Amino acid sequence: SYEVTQPPSVSVSPGQTASITCSGDKLGEKYASWYQQKPGQSPVLVIYQDSKRPSGIPERFSGSNSGNTATLTISGTQPMDEADYFCQATDSDTVVFGGGTKLTVL
Amino acid sequence: QVTLKESGPVLVKPAETLTLTCTVSGFSLSNTRMGVSWIRQPPGKALEWLAHIFSNDEKSYSTSLKTRLTISKDTSKSQVVLTMTKMDPVDTATYYCARMSTVTTLYFDLWGQGTLVTVSS
Repeated sequence: SYEVTQPPSVSVSPGQTASITCSGDKLGEKYASWYQQKPGQSPVLVIYQDSKRPSGIPERFSGSNSGNTATLTISGTQPMDEADYFCQATDSDTVVFGGGTKLTVL
Repeated sequence: QVTLKESGPVLVKPAETLTLTCTVSGFSLSNTRMGVSWIRQPPGKALEWLAHIFSNDEKSYSTSLKTRLTISKDTSKSQVVLTMTKMDPVDTATYYCARMSTVTTLYFDLWGQGTLVTVSS
């Protein structure tokens, strides 16, 4: 079955750019989506179809997908962005999530 | 306002069958651009997709769990039901239902609050 892999953790200083990767075989030929989850809360969609932002998601969130890697980029990272981030892809008619990346802003 | 709300037992015994209900409002389960999925998350762990159902009643299941899962919907009641048989302590998790967009690809634009299910004797 298809799998996608994320780094367990990423650290960034406030105001800097954070990049979170999601790797999978020929992932660039599929669409990737990203979800933010803060402690005790439900996940929130922040990027869909590789690079589209839902209404209400700040412009500092952006995404790309090429080759075997999708990337979520947070520009000008703020302390409120500290959270777990999960990538998601679709293979045939099934859905797969990455293992999640804990973003620490310090 | 679009919402999804999960309901069901908070505690089930090993070997029992779990039945969860997702009640949606603000959109119709007959909308061809949408579906509903069930996704779970063990404490401190990653999200795991379980199943989804489309407006035309087409269904898809996680390969590793498909023998234990059944998803169905009642459009008139705006409800999607998931049953999972042979529950085990490793199935302890928060279970979410989520609205799924089916335009171009599948992604989850709205999630319920989740319901924590503990499997223990």
